[in-house]
Amino acid sequence: QVQLQESGPGLVKPSGTLSLTCAVSGGSISSNNWWSWVRQSPGKGLEWIGEIYHSGTTNYNPPLKSRVTILVDKSKNQFSLTLSSVTAADTAVYYCARVCESYCRGAFDFWGQGTLVTVSS
Amino acid sequence: EIVLTQSPGTLSLSPGERATLSCRASQSISRSNYLAWYQQKPGQAPRLLIYGASGRATGIPDRFSGSGSGTDFTLTISRLEPADSAVYYCQQYGISPYTFGQGTKLEI
Repeated sequence: QVQLQESGPGLVKPSGTLSLTCAVSGGSISSNNWWSWVRQSPGKGLEWIGEIYHSGTTNYNPPLKSRVTILVDKSKNQFSLTLSSVTAADTAVYYCARVCESYCRGAFDFWGQGTLVTVSS
Repeated sequence: EIVLTQSPGTLSLSPGERATLSCRASQSISRSNYLAWYQQKPGQAPRLLIYGASGRATGIPDRFSGSGSGTDFTLTISRLEPADSAVYYCQQYGISPYTFGQGTKLEI
C-alpha cells in the first residue's frame, strides 16, 4: 500500500517562500505515475497546483505557474513543492497525491493526510 | 479551464434512503469521461470513490455508483448509512488544469 506524507513549516511570512516535501513509501517514485500537489482553502475549495513525473517533467496550474516549482528527488523517494511570494490567500491545507496509472488512470488514488500552512507575520 | 458545478450544496437524508449528487461541467469532458468522485470527511484527505465517471475504486462498496457523460455526471449512493456523511467532490482530470467542483455536503 502506497503511503504519502507531507512535511514542512506550518507558518510562512507574507512575501516569503512556502516549501513542502512529500515522502513516498510502499512504492517507488520512479514508477509509471505522476505525482501531484493539491491545496484546499475555505475560500477556493480544492485546487490542483501541479504535477511531476520521475523524469522531472512538470505540469502546473496556470494561475500559479509563475510562483510554483515542483521537483523530484529519486534518491530519497520524495517530491517537493515550492511556492514563492506567498500571501494570505495561499493559506491552505496542502496535500500530495499519486496519479493513478493502472485501472483508474488519471484519478488521484492515494493522498497524504495533508498539512496546514498559514501565511502570517 | 473547465468549471465543475455541483448540486445541491447540501443534502439531508435519512439512513436507508438514496442520495443523488450532480456535477455539471462547463464544457464536455470528452477524453474517456475522465471524471472522478471523492469523499472527504472532516480532518481527512479526499478518498477516491469513482473514476472514469462510472468505475468504482478498489474497496468501494457497490452502494456507490457513478454515471453520466459529456457535461452531466451523477453520483448515486444507495442504502445510505450514517458513515456516508461527508462532503463529496467531483473532479475532471482529462484536460489540464485539472479542476474540482465546490462540493456537496451530505448529512445523514
